[in-house]
Amino acid sequence: DADVTQTPRNRITKTGKRIMLECSQTKGHDRMYWYRQDPGLGLRLIYYSFDVKDINKGEISDGYSVSRQAQAKFSLSLESAIPNQTALYFCATSGGKGNQPQHFGDGTRLSIL
Amino acid sequence: GQQVMQIPQYQHVQEGEDFTTYCNSSTTLSNIQWYKQRPGGHPVFLIQLVKSGEVKKQKRLTFQFGEAKKNSSLHITATQTTDVGTYFCALRAGGFKTIFGAGTRLFVKA
Repeated sequence: DADVTQTPRNRITKTGKRIMLECSQTKGHDRMYWYRQDPGLGLRLIYYSFDVKDINKGEISDGYSVSRQAQAKFSLSLESAIPNQTALYFCATSGGKGNQPQHFGDGTRLSIL
Repeated sequence: GQQVMQIPQYQHVQEGEDFTTYCNSSTTLSNIQWYKQRPGGHPVFLIQLVKSGEVKKQKRLTFQFGEAKKNSSLHITATQTTDVGTYFCALRAGGFKTIFGAGTRLFVKA
């Protein structure tokens, strides 16, 4: 979905490095999410934000932090990357009230050596 | 906490055969969503079910929501190679979070 853009698309880095994954959207949605996808485990929620002033932990927030710089921007940071954080990371947005469908970016494939 | 189980984990079918994936929740659901992820792609929303016993169709895809609103299924009639991918159910947890099932990966042999 070109309306949700993730950068970078791929990243290889070393253990202990700080990494930031960025997400921007042009859909005008208030709600933004970060997920991690591992084979056989589906999508697991890391953090979510319902507006610029609202940040919430998901299922697996340890080792991660987020920043909601504006309605359109939501970044995910790994302060000190470790190999078991190697995964595919997705940003998603949703709008309106209730349980609206989520719109995903193309993902960032992150490898930590 | 709320849990969702999706089965099977994998399914191999011959093109033209039918396919079904099931999603079961430990609690009663307000609604359920289904997504499809093509290989190398991102999840794409397919449909949302809200009412008890609801059945919705999209061409060869039939979605059902159980009477007790604790389970749901996605059935594909006469699979095609374009159906390959992983199908996820997703349900609303507390605080407006969405929990995704582990997904069923469909392989279609031509």
